[in-house]
Amino acid sequence: EAQVTQNPRYLITVTGKKLTVTCSQNMNHEYMSWYRQDPGLGLRQIYYSMNVEVTDKGDVPEGYKVSRKEKRNFPLILESPSPNQTSLYFCASSFDRVNTEAFFGQGTRLTVV
Amino acid sequence: QQPVQSPQAVILREGEDAVINCSSSKALYSVHWYRQKHGEAPVFLMILLKGGEQKGHEKISASFNEKKQQSSLYLTASQLSYSGTYFCGTEGQVFGNEKLTFGTGTRLTIIP
Repeated sequence: EAQVTQNPRYLITVTGKKLTVTCSQNMNHEYMSWYRQDPGLGLRQIYYSMNVEVTDKGDVPEGYKVSRKEKRNFPLILESPSPNQTSLYFCASSFDRVNTEAFFGQGTRLTVV
Repeated sequence: QQPVQSPQAVILREGEDAVINCSSSKALYSVHWYRQKHGEAPVFLMILLKGGEQKGHEKISASFNEKKQQSSLYLTASQLSYSGTYFCGTEGQVFGNEKLTFGTGTRLTIIP
């Protein structure tokens, strides 16, 4: 089954403790991205990747890092999480960066206390 | 810059029609529409490309006016299953800066 898999689904952590949210897709997609969703603000792009070893900032990249060492994986790293990073995070992938359907993972609800 | 969606929320009775609008301040190459049910991931509905093409998906259709940089999503004879938050996503025409930017969403509630 074609899918984007995120882990974990839920995470509660403390300020400053490094964490990684994993994202994997099995559709051989070139393009992957991370979004955060906050009430009233919709989906805002954090980082995106057009291919292996090619990543770029989205609209809200501060406090986040990503890597793309393999085509299927695109982890999101929070080196020193803060409470303002409490949010619902979605990973998405698509065949190309424009004009193609984006497939979303099931989301990771992160709470930083 | 995020596209602007209107209305922000709407409540309809089953069988009524709805229109959700999406407008951008930038020249657009395409518009995407997604629906997100509570607690779930957004799911793709359709893409409209530059050219004013209107698309349909069962009783859900959409139009794209690239001159006005606007798109509208039409839901006819709404069903309970149409409830959710609808997002438009826009792709600009600036070469090398193509990315999908989502609006803030329109919450649609269908009641029996």
